[in-house]
Order: sequence, then C-alpha cells, then structure tokens
Amino acid sequence: GEDVEQSLFLSVREGDSSVINCTYTDSSSTYLYWYKQEPGAGLQLLTYIFSNMDMKQDQRLTVLLNKKDKHLSLRIADTQTGDSAIYFCAEKSSTLGRLYFGRGTQLTVWP
Amino acid sequence: GAGVSQSPSNKVTEKGKDVELRCDPISGHTALYWYRQRLGQGLEFLIYFQGNSAPDKSGLPSDRFSAERTGESVSTLTIQRTQQEDSAVYLCASSPTRDTDTQYFGPGTRLTVL
Repeated sequence: GEDVEQSLFLSVREGDSSVINCTYTDSSSTYLYWYKQEPGAGLQLLTYIFSNMDMKQDQRLTVLLNKKDKHLSLRIADTQTGDSAIYFCAEKSSTLGRLYFGRGTQLTVWP
Repeated sequence: GAGVSQSPSNKVTEKGKDVELRCDPISGHTALYWYRQRLGQGLEFLIYFQGNSAPDKSGLPSDRFSAERTGESVSTLTIQRTQQEDSAVYLCASSPTRDTDTQYFGPGTRLTVL
C-alpha cells in the first residue's frame, strides 16, 4: 500500500515558525491534507492542497508541495502554545476514496 | 447537528464480547469512512461506504469486523469476539461525495478490551 512518512516529534519556541515535513509514495495522489489532533479530540482538517498546485497559503499556514520528490510540508508562522498537537499528513488515492495517513508529528510549543 | 457524531465516546469490554460502534455522518453526506487509530499510530483505513453499499472493505482486519449503513445515514461497526489488539480509537468520517476533497471526522470511540 501507499506509505506516508513523517518525523515523530518537533519542538519550537513560541513565536518561531514550525515546519512539519511529510513524504509519500503514491504518484497518483489527488489531494494531500494536513489534519490536527488535540489530546482526546478527533481530527480537525487544517488545510489541503490539490496535487497540481505547489503552494497554498491560509493565514498562518503555508503548504508546500514538491510533486517530483513527493514531499509535502506545513509551515506554521508565529507558532503559539495552542498549536501544540499532533499533526497528520494524509494523501487521497486517485482511485479510491480512502485516505492514507502518516503516524503524526507531535508538535510541542514552549513558551 | 453540525458535525459527525459517534457513540459511545468510550467503551470498555471484556475479551470475547461483541461491541457495536455507531457513527452519525453529516446530513447529506453520501460517503462514510471508518478508520482505526492505535496508540501512537496513524489512522488505518477500515471500510468505505458510498450510500449504503460498501465498495471498499479491504481494510477490515479480520472476519470479526463488519459494518453496515442504513441509507445515507447511520453506520454501525461491529466487532465480534473482541481481542485485546482491537483496543484503539475508532474514527468515522464523512464527505459529501467520494470525489469531494474533504473528509470530516467525528470525535471517535475509544475501545478498551480487557
């Protein structure tokens, strides 16, 4: 099956930028997503990017997609303590509706 | 309701018992998905419904797992003869159509098998 890989941990200081990276293997992916999961909560969709785009910006969030390298990143500007959570990268198969998820990156923001 | 709801939020059961988990998708969403999240892991796909048919059941881990959906509404995931390795959070998601780019997730049911 498709593999989605993420680093497991990231720590940053409040006010700094955070960059969470993800790699995937399915070259026929249609959409790529970033979800946020806070402790004890379900997944909240943060943003997504269509596979024919290379960048999308939404307020403090910037998504970069390098389709050639199958690399996706999420940049959070001016990271706040409330951004502390697990961030999941996911890709949508072009042939099936399911999402393939990475294991998640635990972002810790220090005051 | 505005979002996907799931019940119960927590379920503790003894090994060997059957459990039923329920998902209420967002009204009007034709596509419904079940995923499983083990502790410290990403989400594993279980099954996908389009309407009340299930064109993709390939993620169900064993024949102890089954799911059904009534019309374009409620879905239940049933696990028979539960095992300790079934302990996980079971998440349901819905989207307006299969091809729509967004799946909206419920809060999950945390299943603990003793």
